[in-house]
Amino acid sequence: QVQLQESGPGLVKPSETLSLICTVSGGSIGTYPWNWIRQSPGKGLEWIGYIYQSGNTNDNPSLKSRVTISLDTSKNQFSLKLNSVTAADTAVYYCARGRGAANSYDYFDYWGQGTLVTVSS
Amino acid sequence: EIVLTQSPGTLSLSPGERATLSCRASQSVSSTYLAWYQQKPGQAPRLLIYGASSRATGIPDRFSGSGSGTDFTLTVSRLEPEDFAMYYCQQYGSSPVTFGGGTKVEIK
Repeated sequence: QVQLQESGPGLVKPSETLSLICTVSGGSIGTYPWNWIRQSPGKGLEWIGYIYQSGNTNDNPSLKSRVTISLDTSKNQFSLKLNSVTAADTAVYYCARGRGAANSYDYFDYWGQGTLVTVSS
Repeated sequence: EIVLTQSPGTLSLSPGERATLSCRASQSVSSTYLAWYQQKPGQAPRLLIYGASSRATGIPDRFSGSGSGTDFTLTVSRLEPEDFAMYYCQQYGSSPVTFGGGTKVEIK
């Protein structure tokens, strides 16, 4: 059974960088796309971006290139960095495994429990 | 990006009743690439349906999905007490993938 667990600071100051790690257990981090998704009362569920084992990444244009996603296969972890944060980035952040057909993007079959990140001074 | 509108916002039903949830897309969703999730308070979303009508592993057959193009439906044939929750649709036919705003199924 694949399990995902987010970790990182729960409080980030405005204009600083939000950093989270997702640790994957119960399966290899190879093959699948690994995603970050967030949920806030104001914007609902919002896909942030993904990374493949190859290093190929894609992120949501709404985040205006503030996103960096990286992978550490030796630790079965992937990470999210979101820079220049504001209060609007306050949300529960989830990591999730992507699934999809060869010519589609992804739905998400395994999710972490989520971690609340608050942006405040 | 594709905007997904879910209706109704809240559905008040009793256990044993049938629930019908709607998800409408602002443009056609490629090849029925639509998924449904259930979310309970304090928990992550749980995948129910993908490909508009395929149940995910371990999902009871009282959950069914249908639809194509811009109109999709999630049906729960007979509500069990554990089915009262939020439900979200998600399209994955185009980037960025997007989610609907959700329907809350509450006990009447």
